[in-house]
Amino acid sequence: NAGVTQTPKFQVLKTGQSMTLQCAQDMNHEYMSWYRQDPGMGLRLIHYSVGAGITDQGEVPNGYNVSRSTTEDFPLRLLSAAPSQTSVYFCASSKSTGTGTHEQYFGPGTRLTVT
Amino acid sequence: AQSVTQPDIHITVSEGASLELRCNYSYGATPYLFWYVQSPGQGLQLLLKYFSGDTLVQGIKGFEAEFKRSQSSFNLRKPSVHWSDAAEYFCAVGSGYSTLTFGKGTMLLVSP
Repeated sequence: NAGVTQTPKFQVLKTGQSMTLQCAQDMNHEYMSWYRQDPGMGLRLIHYSVGAGITDQGEVPNGYNVSRSTTEDFPLRLLSAAPSQTSVYFCASSKSTGTGTHEQYFGPGTRLTVT
Repeated sequence: AQSVTQPDIHITVSEGASLELRCNYSYGATPYLFWYVQSPGQGLQLLLKYFSGDTLVQGIKGFEAEFKRSQSSFNLRKPSVHWSDAAEYFCAVGSGYSTLTFGKGTMLLVSP
């Protein structure tokens, strides 16, 4: 298993540009999430999905869109990039272990800079 | 709403000394608690987790954590720190069925 993969690893955008951060997992996990990490802020939830076709907002959803057309993929779209979106983005997936608990598996991250 | 507090932004420990990183959480139901470690420029690695049962949890790399419901705490400990333990440590609480709420992290520095 490759686990959770993210592309690209690094990206530089100009203000106003759009792009999609890709996330894929091969563990057949129902749940997938996107987090952003900023210095001194820990990781904050952007959007999450509990299954194909079902998404919801997290703590910091503004400026981001998501969709989940397949179990494997959960792309994160920036429609009009802003400098405030400069961050490291992590995708995660998880599956119920039968006790209602969820261990999350994280991807390696995408470092995004918006100039 | 759930929250996690890591009171120490930075901690410096001498190599070979013991370590305790503090974590306090706020969550209405039975918490699912995690500790992750992140080396510079790297992703997150799960150290250990608490779901239920024994309140003393053993993890990888010689780490352990103790869940204390009365104190809403889940402190991470290691009896003897190695220079390779220098990293940032994050405590997190499982919020619902698919997401985590993280603390802001504690940076561990190890002095020779």
